[in-house]
Amino acid sequence: DTAVSQTPKYLVTQMGNDKSIKCEQNLGHDTMYWYKQDSKKFLKIMFSYNNKELIINETVPNRFSPKSPDKAHLNLHINSLELGDSAVYFCASSPQGGSYTGELFFGEGSRLTVL
Amino acid sequence: DQQVKQNSPSLSVQEGRISILNCDYTNSMFDYFLWYKKYPAEGPTFLISISSIKDKNEDGRFTVFLNKSAKHLSLHIVPSQPGDSAVYFCAENYGQNFVFGPGTRLSVLP
Repeated sequence: DTAVSQTPKYLVTQMGNDKSIKCEQNLGHDTMYWYKQDSKKFLKIMFSYNNKELIINETVPNRFSPKSPDKAHLNLHINSLELGDSAVYFCASSPQGGSYTGELFFGEGSRLTVL
Repeated sequence: DQQVKQNSPSLSVQEGRISILNCDYTNSMFDYFLWYKKYPAEGPTFLISISSIKDKNEDGRFTVFLNKSAKHLSLHIVPSQPGDSAVYFCAENYGQNFVFGPGTRLSVLP
């Protein structure tokens, strides 16, 4: 069973289109994240949700809108795609409290290519 | 300016020898530092962490050392195995935020 799953794994689209990437975790974690790995391979946080509420929102264009229908899902919708949006997007989740030792659990990544 | 730095983009080590990956940070207010390993076309996977109140944590072949006065931590892998070849990220955790370094590509040569 995949703990953090993202779909689609690969996405190729034209500039100006709107696209979504979905993420689901079956670990029972309270917090979910979206990270972007750019062409220089830096992993940068975009958003974080805790129990469906936005808690971290880094400097990301308004064209990016996360949506968390429940604590097991965090989807990323991107409007008016630009060439610079091409990257690998990673979803992640983490538990809070208890035996928490700081782990983030990542999905396999969604490679977005904007032409 | 990067909050978490990994100044060596790559490292090559012979199988059986020790691999030492380094990480420097600027923010002293953290809860944990973590190391992640990433294979191509896969998500990063958690390897080992260290609490801000410790200076060493060991798990099998992996040991992480934290030097708070130097704002430096290192990951030791011994003995290194070809399967350890991957990109290693160090990450700083405070609260619900995780800040990653740029990664070091480790190649373990048979």
